[in-house]
Amino acid sequence: GDSVTQTEGPVTVSESESLIINCTYSATSIAYPNLFWYVRYPGEGLQLLLKVITAGQKGSSRGFEATYNKETTSFHLQKASVQESDSAVYYCALGDLGTGGYKVVFGSGTRLLVSP
Amino acid sequence: ETAVFQTPNYHVTQVGNEVSFNCKQTLGHDTMYWYKQDSKKLLKIMFSYNNKQLIVNETVPRRFSPQSSDKAHLNLRIKSVEPEDSAVYLCASSRTVYAEQFFGPGTRLTVL
Repeated sequence: GDSVTQTEGPVTVSESESLIINCTYSATSIAYPNLFWYVRYPGEGLQLLLKVITAGQKGSSRGFEATYNKETTSFHLQKASVQESDSAVYYCALGDLGTGGYKVVFGSGTRLLVSP
Repeated sequence: ETAVFQTPNYHVTQVGNEVSFNCKQTLGHDTMYWYKQDSKKLLKIMFSYNNKQLIVNETVPRRFSPQSSDKAHLNLRIKSVEPEDSAVYLCASSRTVYAEQFFGPGTRLTVL
């Protein structure tokens, strides 16, 4: 079945440093899956950060970027300069159309801690 | 601003009891979901409904049953809970099955 593997946390970064959270996926459908990054800030519900549905394209939001790479089946999340307010749990996910219908499969989440 | 509401926030119960969790969305979405997040923080889809019709039913124990009265509500009932049912249950909704999902705050279940 479909699966998503991402950097195991917690990841600790100092404010203004760069960040990369790795995500690789395995999809079983013949079409390319949709790829997402969701985020859960402290005290809030899970929410969409960015999504890319076309291979080779890049998505961006709140200074974060992720490029859909079908050759390496990766969708790494990057930010050039993190802020303390970026401390959260980040989930990589893929949406795939299989025999059981369209489903979104999530990774196990990566907790990011940004120190001042 | 919260648009997917779940009750209760927490529930502690004993093995063998029945529990029900409620979910309501005020976004006018057609599709709703129940996910289970286990102790390893892995989020797994359990059920999804589109326009009150079940469209995804993952392999979950038969003691779990979803209930949808209308597009805005999707409840989850667990008959005779087991210790392995201890988890956070997340409800979500989306405009269509392919669209962005909006999540509720979750219900944490502890089975003693």
